[in-house]
Amino acid sequence: KAGVTQTPRYLIKTRGQQVTLSCSPISGHRSVSWYQQTPGQGLQFLFEYFSETQRNKGNFPGRFSGRQFSNSRSEMNVSTLELGDSALYLCASSWGGGAFYEQYFGPGTRLTVT
Amino acid sequence: GQQVMQIPQYQHVQEGEDFTTYCNSSTTLSNIQWYKQRPGGHPVFLIQLVKSGEVKKQKRLTFQFGEAKKNSSLHITATQTTDVGTYFCAGHDTNSKLTFGKGITLSVRP
Repeated sequence: KAGVTQTPRYLIKTRGQQVTLSCSPISGHRSVSWYQQTPGQGLQFLFEYFSETQRNKGNFPGRFSGRQFSNSRSEMNVSTLELGDSALYLCASSWGGGAFYEQYFGPGTRLTVT
Repeated sequence: GQQVMQIPQYQHVQEGEDFTTYCNSSTTLSNIQWYKQRPGGHPVFLIQLVKSGEVKKQKRLTFQFGEAKKNSSLHITATQTTDVGTYFCAGHDTNSKLTFGKGITLSVRP
């Protein structure tokens, strides 16, 4: 079974631009969560989608948004990029939404904002 | 909001030594999960604990969930260089939002 895939793997953007990251979950998984990982803050939860609906949202500004498609693939968008948005963005999928389901992480998208 | 704390953030051990790390939550958890991230890699699920006082073992790794379901521990017996990485605990609160601790990065001297 193929793992979680994320595209692109690396991205360099300029302040003020916007970016869209993509995540394809493991086949059959209906939940997709997004995390931001930085050396100082660790893994911070962005949002979770289950069956195209946002189930949970972390404490990030409205510049961060996401969506999930009917095939469970998910995208996250960051508008008006700031230098502090430089991070590894990880997507994780699980069979079900919420607690008690282990999460399978993708390799991440390394975003650098200059 | 819920906080999950892992202190310290770094630990260095000699190969063959035992290693224990702890995870503490500010609120009662529904369950706790542990993940391992190798350098340059992504987090990989290790185990989930659900019941109060639950203990689970995976070869040289022993995981425990506290009686009050607010803390957890990971113990590695006789560390090996393959144990190098960052270990994260993550807990679900009553809203099913998963909160990760900042992780502990383990280095092992051969």
